[in-house]
Amino acid sequence: LAKTTQPISMDSYEGQEVNITCSHNNIATNDYITWYQQFPSQGPRFIIQGYKTKVTNEVASLFIPADRKSSTLSLPRVSLSDTAVYYCLVGALLRGGYQKVTFGIGTKLQVIP
Amino acid sequence: GAVVSQHPSRVICKSGTSVKIECRSLDFQATTMFWYRQFPKQSLMLMATSNEGSKATYEQGVEKDKFLINHASLTLSTLTVTSAHPEDSSFYICSARDGAGGANEQFFGPGTRLTVL
Repeated sequence: LAKTTQPISMDSYEGQEVNITCSHNNIATNDYITWYQQFPSQGPRFIIQGYKTKVTNEVASLFIPADRKSSTLSLPRVSLSDTAVYYCLVGALLRGGYQKVTFGIGTKLQVIP
Repeated sequence: GAVVSQHPSRVICKSGTSVKIECRSLDFQATTMFWYRQFPKQSLMLMATSNEGSKATYEQGVEKDKFLINHASLTLSTLTVTSAHPEDSSFYICSARDGAGGANEQFFGPGTRLTVL
Protein backbone atom coordinates (compact mmCIF):
# COMPACT_ATOMS: atom_id res chain seq x y z
CA LEU A 1 0.00 0.00 0.00
CA ALA A 2 1.36 3.39 -0.95
CA LYS A 3 2.28 5.60 1.97
CA THR A 4 0.93 9.12 2.03
CA THR A 5 2.32 12.33 3.51
CA GLN A 6 0.19 15.35 4.33
CA PRO A 7 0.66 18.49 6.40
CA ILE A 8 -0.41 17.86 9.98
CA SER A 9 -2.44 21.03 10.24
CA MET A 10 -3.60 24.08 8.30
CA ASP A 11 -5.42 27.25 9.17
CA SER A 12 -7.61 29.26 6.82
CA TYR A 13 -10.00 32.17 7.04
CA GLU A 14 -13.61 31.78 6.14
CA GLY A 15 -14.37 32.33 2.49
CA GLN A 16 -10.91 31.43 1.26
CA GLU A 17 -9.98 28.55 -0.99
CA VAL A 18 -8.02 25.83 0.75
CA ASN A 19 -5.62 23.49 -0.99
CA ILE A 20 -4.30 20.44 0.83
CA THR A 21 -1.53 18.54 -0.91
CA CYS A 22 -0.77 14.89 -0.34
CA SER A 23 2.40 13.13 -1.44
CA HIS A 24 2.29 9.50 -2.50
CA ASN A 25 5.57 8.83 -4.25
CA ASN A 26 5.13 5.07 -4.34
CA ILE A 27 1.68 5.04 -5.85
CA ALA A 28 1.05 1.96 -7.98
CA THR A 29 -0.55 1.76 -11.38
CA ASN A 30 -3.82 0.39 -10.01
CA ASP A 31 -4.11 2.78 -7.08
CA TYR A 32 -6.92 5.30 -6.77
CA ILE A 33 -6.65 8.46 -4.67
CA THR A 34 -9.46 9.12 -2.24
CA TRP A 35 -10.06 11.93 0.23
CA TYR A 36 -12.19 11.67 3.36
CA GLN A 37 -13.35 14.21 5.91
CA GLN A 38 -13.80 13.39 9.57
CA PHE A 39 -15.43 15.41 12.31
CA PRO A 40 -14.75 14.57 15.97
CA SER A 41 -16.49 11.40 17.17
CA GLN A 42 -17.88 10.64 13.72
CA GLY A 43 -16.96 8.21 11.00
CA PRO A 44 -15.08 9.52 7.96
CA ARG A 45 -17.13 10.89 5.10
CA PHE A 46 -16.17 10.43 1.46
CA ILE A 47 -15.29 13.68 -0.31
CA ILE A 48 -13.82 12.84 -3.66
CA GLN A 49 -11.89 10.23 -5.58
CA GLY A 50 -9.74 10.27 -8.68
CA TYR A 51 -7.20 8.41 -10.72
CA LYS A 52 -5.61 11.12 -12.85
CA THR A 53 -5.98 14.72 -14.04
CA LYS A 54 -8.84 16.60 -12.43
CA VAL A 55 -12.04 15.56 -10.75
CA THR A 56 -14.70 17.94 -9.52
CA ASN A 57 -17.88 17.41 -7.58
CA GLU A 58 -20.26 19.63 -5.66
CA VAL A 59 -17.99 20.00 -2.65
CA ALA A 60 -14.39 19.82 -3.86
CA SER A 61 -11.91 19.41 -6.67
CA LEU A 62 -9.05 16.98 -6.87
CA PHE A 63 -5.99 17.75 -8.93
CA ILE A 64 -3.62 14.94 -9.87
CA PRO A 65 -0.50 15.63 -11.94
CA ALA A 66 0.61 13.33 -14.71
CA ASP A 67 3.11 11.43 -12.56
CA ARG A 68 0.41 10.84 -9.89
CA LYS A 69 2.99 11.17 -7.12
CA SER A 70 0.91 13.80 -5.40
CA SER A 71 -2.61 15.11 -5.33
CA THR A 72 -4.24 18.30 -4.15
CA LEU A 73 -7.65 18.59 -2.58
CA SER A 74 -9.18 21.98 -3.23
CA LEU A 75 -12.03 23.25 -1.07
CA PRO A 76 -13.60 26.42 -2.49
CA ARG A 77 -14.60 29.17 -0.07
CA VAL A 78 -14.42 27.27 3.19
CA SER A 79 -16.77 27.90 6.08
CA LEU A 80 -16.46 27.20 9.80
CA SER A 81 -18.24 23.90 9.30
CA ASP A 82 -15.35 22.70 7.15
CA THR A 83 -13.15 22.51 10.24
CA ALA A 84 -12.24 18.84 10.32
CA VAL A 85 -9.50 16.34 9.67
CA TYR A 86 -8.92 15.49 6.02
CA TYR A 87 -7.40 12.17 5.04
CA CYS A 88 -5.71 11.31 1.77
CA LEU A 89 -5.82 7.61 1.00
CA VAL A 90 -4.26 5.59 -1.76
CA GLY A 91 -5.25 2.06 -2.57
CA ALA A 92 -5.99 -0.36 -5.33
CA LEU A 93 -9.29 -1.76 -6.36
CA LEU A 94 -8.98 -5.40 -5.35
CA ARG A 95 -10.87 -8.34 -6.69
CA GLY A 96 -14.47 -8.04 -5.66
CA GLY A 97 -14.32 -4.32 -6.09
CA TYR A 98 -13.29 -3.23 -2.65
CA GLN A 99 -10.41 -1.05 -1.71
CA LYS A 100 -8.32 -1.84 1.33
CA VAL A 101 -6.82 1.40 2.48
CA THR A 102 -4.57 2.62 5.22
CA PHE A 103 -5.29 5.92 6.89
CA GLY A 104 -2.43 8.34 7.42
CA ILE A 105 -2.32 10.96 10.13
CA GLY A 106 -4.53 13.36 8.18
CA THR A 107 -4.55 17.14 7.97
CA LYS A 108 -6.41 19.05 10.65
CA LEU A 109 -7.98 22.06 8.96
CA GLN A 110 -9.01 24.90 11.24
CA VAL A 111 -11.22 27.53 9.65
CA ILE A 112 -11.00 30.88 11.36
CA PRO A 113 -13.85 33.43 11.37
CA GLY B 1 -25.41 7.80 -0.88
CA ALA B 2 -25.23 4.44 0.82
CA VAL B 3 -25.80 4.35 4.57
CA VAL B 4 -23.91 2.33 7.15
CA SER B 5 -25.16 2.20 10.71
CA GLN B 6 -23.54 1.05 13.91
CA HIS B 7 -25.08 -0.02 17.16
CA PRO B 8 -24.62 0.96 19.88
CA SER B 9 -23.27 4.45 19.37
CA ARG B 10 -21.61 4.35 22.75
CA VAL B 11 -21.19 1.72 25.42
CA ILE B 12 -19.69 1.66 28.88
CA CYS B 13 -18.80 -1.69 30.37
CA LYS B 14 -16.90 -3.17 33.26
CA SER B 15 -13.49 -4.69 32.82
CA GLY B 16 -13.66 -8.37 31.94
CA THR B 17 -17.00 -8.26 30.16
CA SER B 18 -17.60 -8.72 26.45
CA VAL B 19 -19.14 -6.14 24.16
CA LYS B 20 -20.71 -6.68 20.75
CA ILE B 21 -20.83 -3.92 18.14
CA GLU B 22 -23.02 -4.25 15.08
CA CYS B 23 -22.37 -2.77 11.66
CA ARG B 24 -25.15 -2.74 9.09
CA SER B 25 -25.36 -1.63 5.50
CA LEU B 26 -28.88 -0.25 5.30
CA ASP B 27 -29.56 0.08 1.60
CA PHE B 28 -26.96 -2.04 -0.10
CA GLN B 29 -25.24 -5.38 0.15
CA ALA B 30 -21.67 -5.47 1.33
CA THR B 31 -19.64 -8.59 0.75
CA THR B 32 -16.74 -6.93 2.52
CA MET B 33 -16.71 -4.73 5.57
CA PHE B 34 -13.78 -3.24 7.42
CA TRP B 35 -13.28 -2.59 11.12
CA TYR B 36 -11.14 0.29 12.36
CA ARG B 37 -10.10 1.56 15.75
CA GLN B 38 -9.27 5.16 16.52
CA PHE B 39 -7.65 6.41 19.72
CA PRO B 40 -8.00 10.07 20.73
CA LYS B 41 -6.19 12.48 18.42
CA GLN B 42 -4.93 9.61 16.30
CA SER B 43 -5.78 8.28 12.88
CA LEU B 44 -7.93 5.28 12.08
CA MET B 45 -6.16 1.96 12.34
CA LEU B 46 -7.47 -0.93 10.28
CA MET B 47 -8.10 -3.91 12.52
CA ALA B 48 -9.57 -6.47 10.17
CA THR B 49 -11.33 -7.14 6.90
CA SER B 50 -14.62 -8.94 7.27
CA ASN B 51 -15.78 -11.14 4.41
CA GLU B 52 -19.31 -12.46 4.23
CA GLY B 53 -19.44 -16.18 4.86
CA SER B 54 -15.77 -16.62 5.63
CA LYS B 55 -13.20 -15.86 8.30
CA ALA B 56 -12.03 -12.33 8.81
CA THR B 57 -8.53 -11.25 7.88
CA TYR B 58 -6.78 -9.52 10.75
CA GLU B 59 -4.06 -6.93 10.53
CA GLN B 60 -0.73 -7.58 12.16
CA GLY B 61 -0.83 -7.04 15.89
CA VAL B 62 -4.60 -7.45 16.23
CA GLU B 63 -5.59 -10.41 18.40
CA LYS B 64 -8.22 -12.40 16.57
CA ASP B 65 -9.28 -14.24 19.72
CA LYS B 66 -9.93 -10.96 21.48
CA PHE B 67 -11.68 -9.18 18.65
CA LEU B 68 -14.15 -11.66 17.23
CA ILE B 69 -15.63 -10.73 13.87
CA ASN B 70 -18.65 -12.35 12.30
CA HIS B 71 -20.06 -11.45 8.89
CA ALA B 72 -23.07 -13.71 8.70
CA SER B 73 -25.02 -11.83 6.05
CA LEU B 74 -24.47 -9.34 3.27
CA THR B 75 -25.75 -6.51 5.43
CA LEU B 76 -24.40 -7.28 8.89
CA SER B 77 -20.98 -7.65 10.47
CA THR B 78 -20.36 -7.80 14.19
CA LEU B 79 -17.26 -7.09 16.26
CA THR B 80 -17.13 -8.60 19.74
CA VAL B 81 -14.51 -7.30 22.13
CA THR B 82 -14.00 -10.18 24.53
CA SER B 83 -12.82 -9.71 28.11
CA ALA B 84 -12.54 -5.99 27.58
CA HIS B 85 -9.96 -3.98 29.52
CA PRO B 86 -9.50 -0.23 29.93
CA GLU B 87 -6.85 -0.17 27.18
CA ASP B 88 -9.54 -1.37 24.75
CA SER B 89 -11.40 1.88 25.28
CA SER B 90 -11.51 3.49 21.85
CA PHE B 91 -13.68 4.63 18.97
CA TYR B 92 -14.56 1.67 16.76
CA ILE B 93 -15.63 2.38 13.19
CA CYS B 94 -16.79 0.05 10.47
CA SER B 95 -16.98 0.63 6.75
CA ALA B 96 -18.48 -1.15 3.79
CA ARG B 97 -18.38 -0.92 0.06
CA ASP B 98 -21.38 -1.19 -2.17
CA GLY B 99 -20.33 -4.02 -4.43
CA ALA B 100 -22.98 -3.16 -6.97
CA GLY B 101 -22.09 0.50 -7.17
CA GLY B 102 -19.88 2.03 -9.79
CA ALA B 103 -17.93 4.29 -7.45
CA ASN B 104 -14.93 2.94 -5.65
CA GLU B 105 -15.62 4.35 -2.22
CA GLN B 106 -16.11 3.06 1.24
CA PHE B 107 -19.05 4.16 3.34
CA PHE B 108 -18.26 4.54 6.98
CA GLY B 109 -20.49 4.04 9.95
CA PRO B 110 -20.87 6.73 12.61
CA GLY B 111 -18.63 4.87 15.03
CA THR B 112 -19.07 3.30 18.47
CA ARG B 113 -17.43 4.84 21.50
CA LEU B 114 -16.36 2.06 23.89
CA THR B 115 -15.37 2.92 27.43
CA VAL B 116 -14.13 0.13 29.67
CA LEU B 117 -14.09 0.94 33.35
